Parts: sequence; structure tokens; C-alpha cells
Amino acid sequence: NAGVTQTPKFRILKIGQSMTLQCTQDMNHNYMYWYRQDPGMGLKLIYYSVGAGITDKGEVPNGYNVSRSTTEDFPLRLELAAPSQTSVYFCASSSERATEAFFGQGTRLTVV
Amino acid sequence: AQKVTQAQTEISVVEKEDVTLDCVYETRDTTYYLFWYKQPPSGELVFLIRRNSFDEQNEISGRYSWNFQKSTSSFNFTITASQVVDSAVYFCALSERSGANSKLTFGKGITLSVRP
Repeated sequence: NAGVTQTPKFRILKIGQSMTLQCTQDMNHNYMYWYRQDPGMGLKLIYYSVGAGITDKGEVPNGYNVSRSTTEDFPLRLELAAPSQTSVYFCASSSERATEAFFGQGTRLTVV
Repeated sequence: AQKVTQAQTEISVVEKEDVTLDCVYETRDTTYYLFWYKQPPSGELVFLIRRNSFDEQNEISGRYSWNFQKSTSSFNFTITASQVVDSAVYFCALSERSGANSKLTFGKGITLSVRP
């Protein structure tokens, strides 16, 4: 069972470059989330989606964009990468509101 | 707005000791869900438990137990007879039920180190 799949697992970006973090889930979940995890800061919500075509900002959306054209995919776009975006990014999905979220393996991103 | 506070940042115990991880939450909703997740050194996030706001029964699963008290807005997690494999970061999380959207809010996590 694949669950939530994130790619890539690691990436080094130069300042000003852009990239897309891919996230796919095969559980037919409506709810999907992007979090970033910084040391000692827990997980902060970047964006979330409650279904295809519907997205909304979380706690720390600046510098990121998302789209949700299908139920399965929820890519996270970084435009003009900055060192402050160095972090570990987690994608997650859940079947309904307030059910447990299933997480991907994470993407470790370094911006230099 | 919902908020989760894990006041303990790091805890170190010797194997076989019992340890309690504290979680205090804030919400204006009467219906909400609380979660605990474990993040071992390998980095993945592992779901441990979900509790809804109407179920205040304590839960025990092997060496793990959870104490939910609405009166103090707390959802504490106890590991009995800790083992080295329990070393991880533990996150408490909250999701409100009402409103059009559901957001899962995490605390900052507690790093538990279990020494042999």
C-alpha cells in the first residue's frame, strides 16, 4: 500500500530558484495538507485542501503556492526560494474532517 | 483559534521508568479531536491515537495510556516501563469539527530520550 508519496526526498536549491514538491495519495482522501517542520518548532501548516479545486492558506503560506486539480495530487510550489524555506516538508491526507492524517515520508529541502 | 501547548521540550529517562508527556489545548468548539503522533529518529510521523471531545474515557494500549480531561483541557500521554525504542519526538495535535474546513494543529513536540 503506497499511502502518501512525496517526491523528492532530498533537494538542494539555490536562492531564487523554484521547484515543485510532489504529493500523491492513493486512499481517495478528500483532505490534504502541507506542513513544514523546523527544529523545535513542531509542524506548521502551509496550505490545505478539502477537495479537488479547493485550497486554503494555513499558518505560514507566504512564498508557497498549491493547486488541487485531482483528488490524488496536491503539489506544493516554491517560487524564488529563500534560505528561510530550508526545512522538512510533509504532505498528509485524511478521509474526513478530524480523522487521523496519514503522512508522507517528508522532503528535506535546503536553500543555499 | 485552536492552539496546542506542549510545555515540556525535552525529557530524558532511564529505561523502565514511567514517563508522562503533557498536552494542553485551547479551542472554542464543543466538538473536536485530539491526536498523538510519534516521530522516531527515522523521521516519519506515526499516528498513535485519536480521541473525540465526547469520550473522556482513558485509554490503554500496551505500555501506552492516555488521560483526557476536559476540565483542564489536557490530553496527557504516559509510557509505562519505557524502552530505548520509545526514544522519539512526540506531537500532540488538535482538530476542530465545526466550520467548513478542518485544520490539524500541532504542538511543538516533546523529545523523549530513553537511556539504557
